[in-house]
Amino acid sequence: KNEVEQSPQNLTAQEGEFITINCSYSVGISALHWLQQHPGGGIVSLFMLSSGKKKHGRLIATINIQEKHSSLHITASHPRDSAVYICAVTFNTNAGKSTFGDGTTLTVKP
Amino acid sequence: NAGVTQTPKFRVLKTGQSMTLLCAQDMNHEYMYWYRQDPGMGLRLIHYSVGEGTTAKGEVPDGYNVSRLKKQNFLLGLESAAPSQTSVYFCASKPTGGSGANVLTFGAGSRLTVL
Repeated sequence: KNEVEQSPQNLTAQEGEFITINCSYSVGISALHWLQQHPGGGIVSLFMLSSGKKKHGRLIATINIQEKHSSLHITASHPRDSAVYICAVTFNTNAGKSTFGDGTTLTVKP
Repeated sequence: NAGVTQTPKFRVLKTGQSMTLLCAQDMNHEYMYWYRQDPGMGLRLIHYSVGEGTTAKGEVPDGYNVSRLKKQNFLLGLESAAPSQTSVYFCASKPTGGSGANVLTFGAGSRLTVL
């Protein structure tokens, strides 16, 4: 069975702290997404990775294909970063379908 | 450029009623998906389509039907609504090639309550 596991499930930080959210998966992938969902809100794609590292503003996403692991980092966290962050993986065997982690709920306190 | 539009955004149904959720995308994407999101369970795939006129079952297809008669529209139907179908439904689409290949675009969600 293809699996995607995220950690931690919940994360509370003080404003300004460096945040790391992790995603591990079980078999070979063609792509990995990091998604953001604010409370009661829609889902926004932050990054799509198939290798290496991407950066957008204070957000950095990395992926290690050999270790089947990706991390999402937030530098200088801010209360507006409070959201659920979801890892979604497209496995090589899944004909374009994505499998989603359960999400990490991030709360950044001022 | 509207992206992915879902209608309706909210709906309350009685058990046994039927309804259709509409997903429309204006990006000429080949792939379209319907997911449901429930507390503590993450997003689960209901049905998907890899192109006009094609549909396939996802992880939790029972009680739902879909149609993709036009490339830009993907309809999700509930034949006889049950309280277990109370959920938030998300539609998503993605292209098969080009610089945006594999990048998912989501609709804003449709909150359905079945009493």
